[in-house]
Amino acid sequence: QKEVEQDPGPLSVPEGAIVSLNCTYSNSAFQYFMWYRQYSRKGPELLMYTYSSGNKEDGRFTAQVDKSSKYISLFIRDSQPSDSATYLCAMKDGTASKLTFGTGTRLQVTL
Amino acid sequence: GAVVSQHPSRVICKSGTSVKIECRSLDFQATTMFWYRQFPKQSLMLMATSNEGSKATYEQGVEKDKFLINHASLTLSTLTVTSAHPEDSSFYICSAATGFPNQPQHFGDGTRLSIL
Repeated sequence: QKEVEQDPGPLSVPEGAIVSLNCTYSNSAFQYFMWYRQYSRKGPELLMYTYSSGNKEDGRFTAQVDKSSKYISLFIRDSQPSDSATYLCAMKDGTASKLTFGTGTRLQVTL
Repeated sequence: GAVVSQHPSRVICKSGTSVKIECRSLDFQATTMFWYRQFPKQSLMLMATSNEGSKATYEQGVEKDKFLINHASLTLSTLTVTSAHPEDSSFYICSAATGFPNQPQHFGDGTRLSIL
């Protein structure tokens, strides 16, 4: 079993839809949780960075962490074609500098 | 803020050539830098972690003599692929972090390396 599980998709939604992206993890030591967006042939771009359970909102993006269920989510409201990319979840424990990544979910937002 | 610049973005060269890739943190001091390799439609694979002024720590299976890493300053790390062969063709991405455990990694835009 992988430490971090993420559905690779592809996930196709119409413009304006609410998108829900999820990751589950098995290591209870993970404390810091990140979502990155990666466009084709580009490096990952940090979208959200959270610590501890709860919600964090930034514009159209909301990150949610449920440590008791070992489950994190990224919600995208009013999705746009420019949101079409691969979304990677990543996490680390309190002392390690290395990240553990999910496999990434490919999202396609159609007109 | 938190901009990481990676150069070059694309390299095409002959087999046997050594290739150097630079990774710079432009607006923060990066105590720790990371080098990743990414195959098409796959997630990032960590190759090595480097701390400024120290030898890099390589992941299992990564040849340190093949992939030379230098992190001589708080804003610059370099990866040199020595005597590159076609199987080294890949997308190489660096990231940088301040070293504080509660700070995220910020990534460069990657280097697409093609060995003919």
